[in-house]
Amino acid sequence: AQSVTQLDSHVSVSEGTPVLLRCNYSSSYSPSLFWYVQHPNKGLQLLLKYTSAATLVKGINGFEAEFKKSETSFHLTKPSAHMSDAAEYFCVVIGGGGSYIPTFGRGTSLIVHP
Amino acid sequence: GAVVSQHPSRVICKSGTSVKIECRSLDFQATTMFWYRQFPKKSLMLMATSNEGSKATYEQGVEKDKFLINHASLTLSTLTVTSAHPEDSSFYICSARDPTGGPYNEQFFGPGTRLTVL
Repeated sequence: AQSVTQLDSHVSVSEGTPVLLRCNYSSSYSPSLFWYVQHPNKGLQLLLKYTSAATLVKGINGFEAEFKKSETSFHLTKPSAHMSDAAEYFCVVIGGGGSYIPTFGRGTSLIVHP
Repeated sequence: GAVVSQHPSRVICKSGTSVKIECRSLDFQATTMFWYRQFPKKSLMLMATSNEGSKATYEQGVEKDKFLINHASLTLSTLTVTSAHPEDSSFYICSARDPTGGPYNEQFFGPGTRLTVL
C-alpha cells in the first residue's frame, strides 16, 4: 500500500522569499517520488523526480527536493519565489512492488505576493 | 521530454449526447495510459487504466458503461462519455507511461479537456 500526504492546502509567500511545500509518503517498498506543477486549466508538468538515485534532486525552474527515508518526506523547495511560480503543486508516489499506479497528494496551492 | 496531446481541449455539449476525448502519445509508444478526472480545486482522481489491446481497468465507483475507454493502438486511447449529464462536467486529463523508462518512472500528462454539459 502507498499513500502521500501534502501537509498544506495553501502556502503563501512573498516574491523573492523561499518556498517550502511539504510532502510525506508511505510505501511498503522503495518508492519513486515526483513533484508536478499545474497552472490553471492546464495539464501537469513534471518538476522533478526521485527514483533511488541521489537523494537531493534538482528540477526545473530552480526547484529541488530532498528524499529523506528516515522522515518519509520529500519536501519541495525553492530559494526565491517568482510570481510565475503561483500554481498548484502535486506530490506523487509510485510505491513499487509491482504496482506502478501513482498515488496523488491532494495538492498545495502556492500563492505568491508581489 | 515525451509529449502527450489531448483533443479537444474544450467541449460543450447538450445533456444526453456522447463526447469522445482522444489522448495521443506523440513521440513514444504507450502500452499503458491513464484517465483522470479533476474537480475544481481538487486533486486528480484516477478513473481507469487503459492497456493497449485489452480491456481497461476501472477504479471502484467508476461506471464502465458510462465512461468507455478504448486503447486500440500504442499511441492512442479514447475516453467516451456516454449520455452525458451536467454532473459529468469536469476537467479530464490523460497520462501515458513510456515503458522504456521502467514501470516506476514518471507519467507524461496531456493538457486536459474541459467538458461542460448543458
